[in-house]
Order: sequence, then structure tokens, then C-alpha cells
Amino acid sequence: GQQVMQIPQYQHVQEGEDFTTYCNSSTTLSNIQWYKQRPGGHPVFLIQLVKSGEVKKQKRLTFQFGEAKKNSSLHITATQTTDVGTYFCAARSNDYKLSFGAGTTVTVRA
Amino acid sequence: ETGVTQTPRHLVMGMTNKKSLKCEQHLGHNAMYWYKQSAKKPLELMFVYSLEERVENNSVPSRFSPECPNSSHLFLHLHTLQPEDSALYLCASSQGPGGETQYFGPGTRLLVL
Repeated sequence: GQQVMQIPQYQHVQEGEDFTTYCNSSTTLSNIQWYKQRPGGHPVFLIQLVKSGEVKKQKRLTFQFGEAKKNSSLHITATQTTDVGTYFCAARSNDYKLSFGAGTTVTVRA
Repeated sequence: ETGVTQTPRHLVMGMTNKKSLKCEQHLGHNAMYWYKQSAKKPLELMFVYSLEERVENNSVPSRFSPECPNSSHLFLHLHTLQPEDSALYLCASSQGPGGETQYFGPGTRLLVL
């Protein structure tokens, strides 16, 4: 099935710093979705990207879909303790299946 | 968020027990899913139902038996489980089964002794 690679697996960030997590596919995607799972919680939908090169922002979070629609990134600026959790990308392939990446688990040093 | 509910939230069972997990969605969706999430492992899709019909079964052992009596309810029947089946079991729903946004329930934390 569709393989979606997420890197890094773990991200340890100093509070106030920026970081980026990446999602890569070997095939062209129909769209890509991002989810966040807080510790002890469940995945919650954040955003969906559909168009080539699309960029969307949610406060300090910037999501980008690659020009070739094979990769995506999530950039968080000025990391806060509320950003702790695991961020999953989920790729919708052209056969209309949604495949989740392994996630990037973020911890924040105060 | 109460769009997707799951019961029980926690479950401890022996390997010879039979139990069932319940999921209910209040979003008017047509597709429902069961996922397994183990520690330090990615989400594993187990079953997909669309309009009460199973459309995907990802090589899940027969000790897990899903049931979808209607588009709002989904069950996962468990019997003779193994300790390695201990995990968080997440239910999700979406408008359709074609890769639309999924809405997750809070999960059932299962411990098999």
C-alpha cells in the first residue's frame, strides 16, 4: 500500500525555537492531511492541503504541500509547551485511500 | 469533542475472556474505521466499513471480529487475545471511505493479561 515517510521520528525543541517536520511519498498524492495527538489523547484533524505548492497557516503553524504533490512540511515557530504531542501526516493517494505516517513526537524543554 | 464516542475507555481482560468495544458516531458519516495504536508504533488500520459493509480488512487475526449494525455504530469483538494485543484501539469516522478527513474517538486503552 501507500508508504508515507515522516521525519524526524522525535523532535526535542527548546521553548521559543522553531522546527520543521517532513512528510514524503514516492507517489503523487491527491491531498495531504495533518493531525495532532496530544499525550494521552487521540488524533485530531488540523488541516488539509490539496493544491500543488499550497501553503496554509494556523497561528504559529505553517503547512506546505510540495510542487510535485509528493511531500509536505509542518513548520512551527516559537514553540510553546502546548505544542507537545505527535504530529501525523496522512496522505490521500489517487486510489482514494488515506495512509498515515508514523508521526513526529515533539517534546519541549522549558 | 463528542462527535465520536467509544466505550469502555479502559479495559483489562484475561486471555480467555470475551469482550466488545463499542464506537458511536454522531456526525452523519458513512464510513467507520478501527485502528490499533501500540506504543512507539504507527497507527495500524484494522478494518474499514462503508455503509455497514466491510470494505477493507488488513490481515487482522480472527480473534478480532468487527461488526457494523448501522452507519452510526461499530463494534470490535475480542476473544482469546494475546498480551501483545494490548494497545489503544481507536475508532474513527469520515464522510466516505475515500480518504476524506477522519474524526477519531477517544480510544479504548486495552490491557491483556
